[in-house]
Amino acid sequence: KAGVTQTPRYLIKTRGQQVTLSCSPISGHRSVSWYQQTPGQGLQFLFEYFSETQRNKGNFPGRFSGRQFSNSRSEMNVSTLELGDSALYLCASSLGQTTDTQYFGPGTRLTVL
Amino acid sequence: SQQGEEDPQALSIQEGENATMNCSYKTSINNLQWYRQNSGRGLVHLILIRSNEREKHSGRLRVTLDTSKKSSSLLITASRAADTASYFCATGAQGGSEKLVFGKGTKLTVNP
Repeated sequence: KAGVTQTPRYLIKTRGQQVTLSCSPISGHRSVSWYQQTPGQGLQFLFEYFSETQRNKGNFPGRFSGRQFSNSRSEMNVSTLELGDSALYLCASSLGQTTDTQYFGPGTRLTVL
Repeated sequence: SQQGEEDPQALSIQEGENATMNCSYKTSINNLQWYRQNSGRGLVHLILIRSNEREKHSGRLRVTLDTSKKSSSLLITASRAADTASYFCATGAQGGSEKLVFGKGTKLTVNP
């Protein structure tokens, strides 16, 4: 089976812009989770989608949003970008339960200038 | 918060030595998982241990879980330079419906 794919791999934006990141889970996986990783804060949970519904949400402002499509592919959107949003954004998929083994994609490196 | 906390934050050893990393957490869990991350890349799942298990092995990896102390350890035996990476523990709350929570990781350097 193909692994989790994320596009784009690298992205440079300026403050105030918005960005959309995409994640394609492993075939058959219905849960998709998003994480933000920075040197200072470590790996922080953004949200999780299961069958097109947001099942869990982390402590991030409303500028961070996501959605999941019927084929389980997921997108996350960050509006009004801030310098502090510069991070590695990781997507992970799993079969069903939130606590199942997570299979991670390579990440999208977002730089906000 | 049920966040796992790894200890030590950084560990440097010589090739062939064993590496031990510890993880502590705060609430009752469904399972505990260990992941590895090479610099700037995605995480790779190493091993999952359920709350009713005490020890698990996978190749050169040995994981123990002590639910009474709310702690786990990851032992890598006969380490290799390729084991250089950050290692994270992740805890899943009982019920299985809450988010998986990751610790800040242990950065392991294996010197050739």
